[in-house]
Amino acid sequence: EPEVTQTPSHQVTQMGQEVILRCVPISNHLYFYWYRQILGQKVEFLVSFYNNEISEKSEIFDDQFSVERPDGSNFTLKIRSTKLEDSAMYFCASSEARLSIEAFFGQGTRLTVV
Amino acid sequence: DAKTTQPPSMDCAEGRAANLPCNHSTISGNEYVYWYRQIHSQGPQYIIHGLKNNETNEMASLIITEDRKSSTLILPHATLRDTAVYYCIVRVTYNQGGKLIFGQGTELSVKP
Repeated sequence: EPEVTQTPSHQVTQMGQEVILRCVPISNHLYFYWYRQILGQKVEFLVSFYNNEISEKSEIFDDQFSVERPDGSNFTLKIRSTKLEDSAMYFCASSEARLSIEAFFGQGTRLTVV
Repeated sequence: DAKTTQPPSMDCAEGRAANLPCNHSTISGNEYVYWYRQIHSQGPQYIIHGLKNNETNEMASLIITEDRKSSTLILPHATLRDTAVYYCIVRVTYNQGGKLIFGQGTELSVKP
């Protein structure tokens, strides 16, 4: 069964450092998403991406965040200067363009900012 | 997207049916009801969705009331592996795709 894969599974970084979280969406999917979940809190939408541009973003997704699809398979989330409050589980998801019924989520990257 | 209300937690005995309710009294005519679950901080997993008719798949059944203001997700024979947080989400399905707005969900504990 096709799946969304995320790397690394856990990343520890120092405050102020840049991090890049990587995702490989399902190959025939055209819509890509990033969500985050702070420990003990609900899953929050960050951004959606289609046709090489952001289609929607939340208030959380400020200038410190950026997304990119550098090649035909990867989808990345960059945080330029991490803060302690960026510590969270980050989930990548993808869905087919036409139906958009089901979004497939990866297993997440746990980001710890120290 | 319409707001949903779910009980924060429920227990269910292993092998019994788990019935998870969701209220969505402000749902619009073009909004679907989706259910996802999240097992212990893993990525959310799609379960089922519906518009107005009851739906069944290999994982669960979805019962939507005639006025569409509430729905129930039924896991017919719950197992320990069904212990998870279950999210009821209401949203419009566009051809172009869309975000999911997660609430707090219902934490289902399946007990032996």
